[in-house]
Amino acid sequence: GAGVSQSPRYKVAKRGQDVALRCDPISGHVSLFWYQQALGQGPEFLTYFQNEAQLDKSGLPSDRFFAERPEGSVSTLKIQRTQQEDSAVYLCASSSRRLGLAKAGELFFGEGSRLTVL
Amino acid sequence: GQQLNQSPQSMFIQEGEDVSMNCTSSSIFNTWLWYKQDPGEGPVLLIALYKAGELTSNGRLTAQFGITRKDSFLNISASIPSDVGIYFCAGQPSNTGKLIFGQGTTLQVKP
Repeated sequence: GAGVSQSPRYKVAKRGQDVALRCDPISGHVSLFWYQQALGQGPEFLTYFQNEAQLDKSGLPSDRFFAERPEGSVSTLKIQRTQQEDSAVYLCASSSRRLGLAKAGELFFGEGSRLTVL
Repeated sequence: GQQLNQSPQSMFIQEGEDVSMNCTSSSIFNTWLWYKQDPGEGPVLLIALYKAGELTSNGRLTAQFGITRKDSFLNISASIPSDVGIYFCAGQPSNTGKLIFGQGTTLQVKP
């Protein structure tokens, strides 16, 4: 498709379950980001990939969160042993710009995956 | 995590009115951006600003990059019903794409 695609759109998990969220970026975009958006808040940075390299994972809230982009295209955000505080919308964004170049902040966001942990 | 101070939190205005919202930070940013988010959607970029003092327009939208590099404002002129949504400012401390977002301004427009 023409835009960033995320799946599933909605996920309900019982506390303690593992979840995996998928992101298909815009074709050819080298940069991929994951953001977490709690209800009523702005998005918060989780992690950043340039091609298959994870260059920044400073925003991941705990070691239960893991992201990968093995072939430099599709990315998966995995959350192990989910907790109620993990409930949020997880947004994926991509950019054609590489690290350090101007306009690197002009991101194209997907519709997000809404995770609810019961 | 670190967030910007965005105000107002919400606005309810009459169609045709002008709107102004702003964002301040204790940190300097190289780039300021304004995004709009509709319910159930991801944020969409409206305007990007790259130089201190820069004033940029996109149709009825005008935004400015504060001279101190610690603030920005967004104006919407002659509002219409489709302007309804949540507007987020975002600052970028360096050219990494790692954005720091404000809390958002919810705009409602009465026809």
